[in-house]
Amino acid sequence: KQEVTQIPAALSVPEGENLVLNCSFTDSAIYNLQWFRQDPGKGLTSLLLIQSSQREQTSGRLNASLDKSSGRSTLYIAASQPGDSATYLCAVWGSQGNLIFGKGTKLSVKP
Amino acid sequence: GAVVSQHPSWVICKSGTSVKIECRSLDFQATTMFWYRQFPKQSLMLMATSNEGSKATYEQGVEKDKFLINHASLTLSTLTVTSAHPEDSSFYICSARSPGQGDPLGAFFGQGTRLTVV
Repeated sequence: KQEVTQIPAALSVPEGENLVLNCSFTDSAIYNLQWFRQDPGKGLTSLLLIQSSQREQTSGRLNASLDKSSGRSTLYIAASQPGDSATYLCAVWGSQGNLIFGKGTKLSVKP
Repeated sequence: GAVVSQHPSWVICKSGTSVKIECRSLDFQATTMFWYRQFPKQSLMLMATSNEGSKATYEQGVEKDKFLINHASLTLSTLTVTSAHPEDSSFYICSARSPGQGDPLGAFFGQGTRLTVV
């Protein structure tokens, strides 16, 4: 059974810092991996999708990497801003298109 | 990108009543929709998978008679929480996909529904 773990559970950084969020999964036979952002009481905003054949994806200040062999993915956020404060969710795709989520990392960026 | 609309965004109901949540794909046909539930400080957990025109597949531990799912058209799936109890209070969110959209576009989520049963 696929399990997704995110470390750390919470992170607080001053504005401007670069930071890394970690995600690990137990079954390396994944289809895709997707990072989301969730604001309090809100739905999910897709940030980056890494297909199983890819090793990384970039969008603006965000960069996500995928190492299937080690069962790890990282989300790198450059020059963090207070607006980046949210919970970041990592999810791996199941064979039917469903997602298996981690518990998330709650990020707080202090001005 | 594709848009998935979920309604209502929040609802408060009395214990014992039923609540219906709608999930619509606005600009694509969703052959498959997924329903997730998120309890406070927990990860989103898949409740069921619904395919248009067929019965939903429920995850272990999810009562199919309590959480009724109907996927009668390619753009609409509904989740009805029957005889709701306070322990059903949670954040419910749907996701839709279609082979035509292509996996590279990822999974598309509704805005979620905050259900509070009093």
